[in-house]
Amino acid sequence: AQTVTQSQPEMSVQEAETVTLSCTYDTSENNYYLFWYKQPPSRQMILVIRQEAYKQQNATENRFSVNFQKAAKSFSLKISDSQLGDTAMYFCAFLENYGGSQGNLIFGKGTKLSVKP
Amino acid sequence: KAGVTQTPRYLIKTRGQQVTLSCSPISGHRSVSWYQQTPGQGLQFLFEYFSETQRNKGNFPGRFSGRQFSNSRSEMNVSTLELGDSALYLCASSLFGRGGSSTGELFFGEGSRLTVL
Repeated sequence: AQTVTQSQPEMSVQEAETVTLSCTYDTSENNYYLFWYKQPPSRQMILVIRQEAYKQQNATENRFSVNFQKAAKSFSLKISDSQLGDTAMYFCAFLENYGGSQGNLIFGKGTKLSVKP
Repeated sequence: KAGVTQTPRYLIKTRGQQVTLSCSPISGHRSVSWYQQTPGQGLQFLFEYFSETQRNKGNFPGRFSGRQFSNSRSEMNVSTLELGDSALYLCASSLFGRGGSSTGELFFGEGSRLTVL
């Protein structure tokens, strides 16, 4: 069974600094998606960034970027120029891709990130 | 475009009762998934519906059930409530496919907070 592990339950960072959240996963599949979702205190989960396993290039979305190491099954999230609004729970998630038909999201336990002024 | 709407947002029940939660997906989204979020277990997949058919089910007892209507709205029901059912229940919709569009993205609602006394 696929598993997703986030080894950092809580992290804090000073505003404007850079922080990296770790995620490892275990799968025997070759085709899959990886995601980072953000859940602010208001609770609505929103997508931060997405990576398709067949793409070697690391995904980037503005201040958010990932370091995807397929062989190591590692998928870390880097947040640059941290802002107070980045304070939230961050979940790493894995999604299988069966030739275009996809299964369900498997989430890690989450990392609570606090950005301090 | 309206987001995913879940009702009710908060509810309190007693052991043995049953509860029905509702989810209205984003217009045009035909896939609806349900997740249970608790501090101890994190986010766990309950089930997924597409075109009124349950296509995938997580590892939950039969007390947890759901359905999807022709307009893609979905309901989930929990019968004979137990204290351990207290959780945030999240609904997510996607454009098509088991887990989402070609991007694999899910769009989440704000959740229904269930407290069982």
